[in-house]
Amino acid sequence: EDKVVQSPLSLVVHEGDTVTLNCSYEVTNFRSLLWYKQEKKAPTFLFMLTSSGIEKKSGRLSSILDKKELFSILNITATQTGDSAVYLCAVSYNTDKLIFGTGTRLQVFP
Amino acid sequence: DGGITQSPKYLFRKEGQNVTLSCEQNLNHDAMYWYRQDPGQGLRLIYYSQIVNDFQKGDIAEGYSVSREKKESFPLTVTSAQKNPTAFYLCASRESPNYYEQYFGPGTRLTVT
Repeated sequence: EDKVVQSPLSLVVHEGDTVTLNCSYEVTNFRSLLWYKQEKKAPTFLFMLTSSGIEKKSGRLSSILDKKELFSILNITATQTGDSAVYLCAVSYNTDKLIFGTGTRLQVFP
Repeated sequence: DGGITQSPKYLFRKEGQNVTLSCEQNLNHDAMYWYRQDPGQGLRLIYYSQIVNDFQKGDIAEGYSVSREKKESFPLTVTSAQKNPTAFYLCASRESPNYYEQYFGPGTRLTVT
């Protein structure tokens, strides 16, 4: 059965800390892996990764994919309270559909 | 302003009533999706549609129905047959077959008592 597993489920840090969120997958016909940030309502798109070893970066956020070991990490450096959210990992196994992990809830305190 | 709108934001219904959730997009995206999100669970796919007048069941379609009469609109009906309808419902769209990213609307929180 196709599945996406995220860890940890929950993370509490102080502003300025660096965090690493993990996403592992077992999916047939893997096409791409996507990261989303969900604050209160709509998940917003962060990154899409299709190739191993190529880091995607946006400000303090970065992500990388390992297609051999079937996982991805999302790093956030110098965290801010505005980074508090649920981070969702999803894998596309055909062009039509995504399978989502349960998410990692990040809380950043001042 | 391009985007996906869902209405209403909050919806309260009595058990046994059907309810329809609205989803509209002006992004000219081909594909549209409905997901359900419950606490502690990831997004689960209810229905999706790749073109007008065509749609497919997702992983948890029982107790739900959809229509796709226009490219911009993909309403979801939660029927009385859905055993646990209280949840957060998210609509999403995707540009075309060559793009994997889905973009989400703000969601509708449905409470059935």
